[in-house]
Amino acid sequence: AQSVTQPDIHITVSEGASLELRCNYSYGATPYLFWYVQSPGQGLQLLLKYFSGDTLVQGIKGFEAEFKRSQSSFNLRKPSVHWSDAAEYFCAVSGGATNKLIFGTGTLLAVQP
Amino acid sequence: KAGVTQTPRYLIKTRGQQVTLSCSPISGHRSVSWYQQTPGQGLQFLFEYFSETQRNKGNFPGRFSGRQFSNSRSEMNVSTLELGDSALYLCASSSRLAGKDTQYFGPGTRLTVL
Repeated sequence: AQSVTQPDIHITVSEGASLELRCNYSYGATPYLFWYVQSPGQGLQLLLKYFSGDTLVQGIKGFEAEFKRSQSSFNLRKPSVHWSDAAEYFCAVSGGATNKLIFGTGTLLAVQP
Repeated sequence: KAGVTQTPRYLIKTRGQQVTLSCSPISGHRSVSWYQQTPGQGLQFLFEYFSETQRNKGNFPGRFSGRQFSNSRSEMNVSTLELGDSALYLCASSSRLAGKDTQYFGPGTRLTVL
């Protein structure tokens, strides 16, 4: 079955510290992978995406993610977290002939001053 | 370009009523998808429309329906509302039908069923 797992429900980091949010997927076809961020009461904002090619992708707001096919992972990273990064982060996968996105359960990020 | 717009942003209804939500995609985008977000079930796919045709449907009861107009604007309708339909309903648009495409989301409509 197609699925996305985000093992960490809640993460707290100190401002200026590095961040890594984990994402594992299960998808039969070639996966297309996305990270979205959601602030309270808002819609989803695209951070970055991976379709093919270079497995390290750069996104907005200083985020990057690395696709590792052997580990079925697409982890999100940021070298130095800012207080404004506090939000909920969703990993998603699509592929094939449909635009249907399958989402993980999200990781809620808190940033300590 | 203007982003995806959704109206209304907030809605309060009572059980048994019906509701219609509207979504205007980014200009030039022909695919519109709808998602339901709840604390318990997370983000779940409702359906996708492309060129006025439903191309894919999620696992929701028939009370949930949608349509797309010739200008790509889309509406979704929920009939006979239940308390469990309280959710944030998100619309997303993309320029192509195929999976290798990027979906851009609107701000959502917060539906509360009393």
